[in-house]
Amino acid sequence: SQTIHQWPATLVQPVGSPLSLECTVEGTSNPNLYWYRQAAGRGLQLLFYSVGIGQISSEVPQNLSASRPQDRQFILSSKKLLLSDSGFYLCAWRAGTLGYTFGSGTRLTVV
Amino acid sequence: KQEVTQIPAALSVPEGENLVLNCSFTDSAIYNLQWFRQDPGKGLTSLLLIQSSQREQTSGRLNASLDKSSGRSTLYIAASQPGDSATYLCAVPSGGSYIPTFGRGTSLIVHP
Repeated sequence: SQTIHQWPATLVQPVGSPLSLECTVEGTSNPNLYWYRQAAGRGLQLLFYSVGIGQISSEVPQNLSASRPQDRQFILSSKKLLLSDSGFYLCAWRAGTLGYTFGSGTRLTVV
Repeated sequence: KQEVTQIPAALSVPEGENLVLNCSFTDSAIYNLQWFRQDPGKGLTSLLLIQSSQREQTSGRLNASLDKSSGRSTLYIAASQPGDSATYLCAVPSGGSYIPTFGRGTSLIVHP
């Protein structure tokens, strides 16, 4: 069966520190992968999506970057976190014409 | 650009009521429409996926309908229970990139 793993679940980081959030998918190949951010009281904001290894599209200019080193691995990074980077980060995948499946999310608090 | 609106933004009802959650979208050239549930601090759980050629989908007490021509989808929840309390979101992929646009959600509270 297809599953998506996202970690860590919770993260508290100081301003200026680096960030690395990881997402992996099992049970499928060549999925489309997505990173979303959900800020308090706001909707889901698409940050990055990838249709294949090494292919990254950015939707919003920001302090974050994404990479896809393997077919089923998607990484969200930052070199120096800002307070405004706080939020709930969600990874998702889609295969073919099927719907989207989301990970359990990472709550990031930048202090 | 696709815009998705969900009405109402919040809903508080006593247990046992039948509920109607609405989702409207501006661009009818969609591939499908997906309803999700999100519990506080959790990820999104898929409830129903309706392909653009379908009119409705059912799962247990949930029924979702789709009217592409009018740009509307409705999620019916029958005999609501306190465990149904959550935020419900609809997502509409459209355009060549198949990127979904999400509504802001309907926050539902069902009182015992």
